[in-house]
Amino acid sequence: DGGITQSPKYLFRKEGQNVTLSCEQNLNHDAMYWYRQDPGQGLRLIYYSQIVNDFQKGDIAEGYSVSREKKESFPLTVTSAQKNPTAFYLCASSIDRDRPSNQPQHFGDGTRLSIL
Amino acid sequence: GENVEQHPSTLSVQEGDSAVIKCTYSDSASNYFPWYKQELGKRPQLIIDIRSNVGEKKDQRIAVTLNKTAKHFSLHITETQPEDSAVYFCAASIRSGGGNKLTFGTGTQLKVEL
Repeated sequence: DGGITQSPKYLFRKEGQNVTLSCEQNLNHDAMYWYRQDPGQGLRLIYYSQIVNDFQKGDIAEGYSVSREKKESFPLTVTSAQKNPTAFYLCASSIDRDRPSNQPQHFGDGTRLSIL
Repeated sequence: GENVEQHPSTLSVQEGDSAVIKCTYSDSASNYFPWYKQELGKRPQLIIDIRSNVGEKKDQRIAVTLNKTAKHFSLHITETQPEDSAVYFCAASIRSGGGNKLTFGTGTQLKVEL
């Protein structure tokens, strides 16, 4: 799915530092999502946004923040409050608005975050 | 909230055999069930999906079945090939206010042996 770009591919966080992961899509999708993937586990939803300037918490939002100022962009900030940030972070998007049923989510290539 | 359980966690088959992965979900309001394939270090890729108004869907060697009464759905891969080796995730989705929240299973590591 070349239309969803995540950067950087690898990111290192120091103690007490906030870091921001970028997610950009050129698919004109309405909805965007952030997931966290730990080894041996499935993907868990952090935050999602269905429309510009609006977003909702997922199942594991504590220690994370997001913004949705533009339709194309949905950055995720991992704050110092997130004590175990080491994971693979995946961004996804889908066409959802004004559709009568759920639409497929398509993923970016992910960002691997580690603690220094 | 929704809970999705997936079995088995690992599956080894011989090339040419069939593979079956099963998932159960807890929320009867879930109405969309995608399956994703993820190769090591790469993005999950949608391989097939099914909606709650359909009992079965097939795409070449891949098929998915859904039993709404029992709240379970399964992925069937026939004539497996080495390139089918990957981790497969099932998911269930409830439509919520214009968007959809996906809850994923914990994944099945499929290994196709020559």
